Amino acid sequence: GDSVTQMEGPVTLSEEAFLTINCTYTATGYPSLFWYVQYPGEGLQLLLKATKADDKGSNKGFEATYRKETTSFHLEKGSVQVSDSAVYFCALGGSEKLVFGKGMKLTVNP
Amino acid sequence: NAGVTQTPKFRILKIGQSMTLQCTQDMNHNYMYWYRQDPGMGLKLIYYSVGAGITDKGEVPNGYNVSRSTTEDFPLRLELAAPSQTSVYFCASRRTSDSDTQYFGPGTRLTVL
Repeated sequence: GDSVTQMEGPVTLSEEAFLTINCTYTATGYPSLFWYVQYPGEGLQLLLKATKADDKGSNKGFEATYRKETTSFHLEKGSVQVSDSAVYFCALGGSEKLVFGKGMKLTVNP
Repeated sequence: NAGVTQTPKFRILKIGQSMTLQCTQDMNHNYMYWYRQDPGMGLKLIYYSVGAGITDKGEVPNGYNVSRSTTEDFPLRLELAAPSQTSVYFCASRRTSDSDTQYFGPGTRLTVL
């Protein structure tokens, strides 16, 4: 069945550091890919998405490109802030349901 | 718009008790979902619904029941609470398009002692 594998962490970075969170997927067909973020004490919210190969999703300085040839959707940010401290989930979907990775906790220190 | 609302925010149950977790959305979304989130385990789908009157099992449905009598509401019922059901429960909804975003509620933290 469909699955998502992502870096699990936890990861601690200093403010202004570069962030990469790896995500790879296994799926039949052509799923949409998502990154969701969960801030402390809150539900998940969509960070960005891509619906077809080579699409780039971007939001709040984060970017991810849908790479069909490597089945990947890695999340990047050039300069993280303390406010980016959260848990990040990679997910894929294409029919009725989303399949989530296990999530990666990021802590950014000033 | 309130989005997706869940009640209660917190609850402690004794083993064998029952309860209903409420979920309501005001976005007229056809799809609704219930997930549980265990530490370090990501989200597991319990049940979902593609519209009023239609529900289907997800990955971990045992010990839970759902109903969908209206578009807005999707309650989750625990009949005989067990310690293994201690978790954070999230409800979500989305429109019908395949690529549409899921919108999540704030969650219910349930502890079964």
